[in-house]
Amino acid sequence: EVQLVESGGGLVKPEESLRLSCAASGFTFSSYSLNWVRQTPGRGLEWVSSISSSTIYIYYADSVKGRFTISRDNAKNSLFLQMNSLRAEDTAVYYCVRGMGYMDVWGKGTTVTVSS
Amino acid sequence: DIQMTQSPSSLSASVGDRVTITCRASQSISTYLNWYQQKPGKAPNLLIYAASSLQSGVPSRFSGSGSGTDFTLTISSLQPEDFATYYCQQSYSTPPYTFGQGTKLEIK
Repeated sequence: EVQLVESGGGLVKPEESLRLSCAASGFTFSSYSLNWVRQTPGRGLEWVSSISSSTIYIYYADSVKGRFTISRDNAKNSLFLQMNSLRAEDTAVYYCVRGMGYMDVWGKGTTVTVSS
Repeated sequence: DIQMTQSPSSLSASVGDRVTITCRASQSISTYLNWYQQKPGKAPNLLIYAASSLQSGVPSRFSGSGSGTDFTLTISSLQPEDFATYYCQQSYSTPPYTFGQGTKLEIK
């Protein structure tokens, strides 16, 4: 079964850091681009970052550029999102998603709450 | 960035109805338009990619059309399991990718 499982969410204070992980299974991980997409009730679905299969291409939303870093370990079938200098507006459910362009496999999400 | 605008924001319909949801891009995106369905507490699920291609496993009552700036998602005969929120997303060129604000489809 093709699966993406996120972990690492939690409650942090503003300006703190958090690292999200995504474990993939059921497909050839190294062949696919991956993304982080977040969702809030107020702002809906927001694309955060993408990384190509070989890490040559990396993209970030302006809202997280300079604070978040996407990375992957193809040997361990894992995707990561290092989030620094977190803000209240980063509070969201974060999804790990497969695909560059259309997104055909989504994890269940992990919740990040930034609050003092 | 390319802005995506869906209409309506919400819609009430009955089982068996034909329903159409519209998505408009702020600039031409060719056919780089995708549709997702999301049920409460669940992740989005890809329905249609490249404006009109049906994702594997998605029922044929779902269809998509359009190119340029105007796109539609049509459900030919609503089933009880179709009541959900629907999002469009553009994937034109390189990121940023943007989503529409969503259309909530409710039971009349």
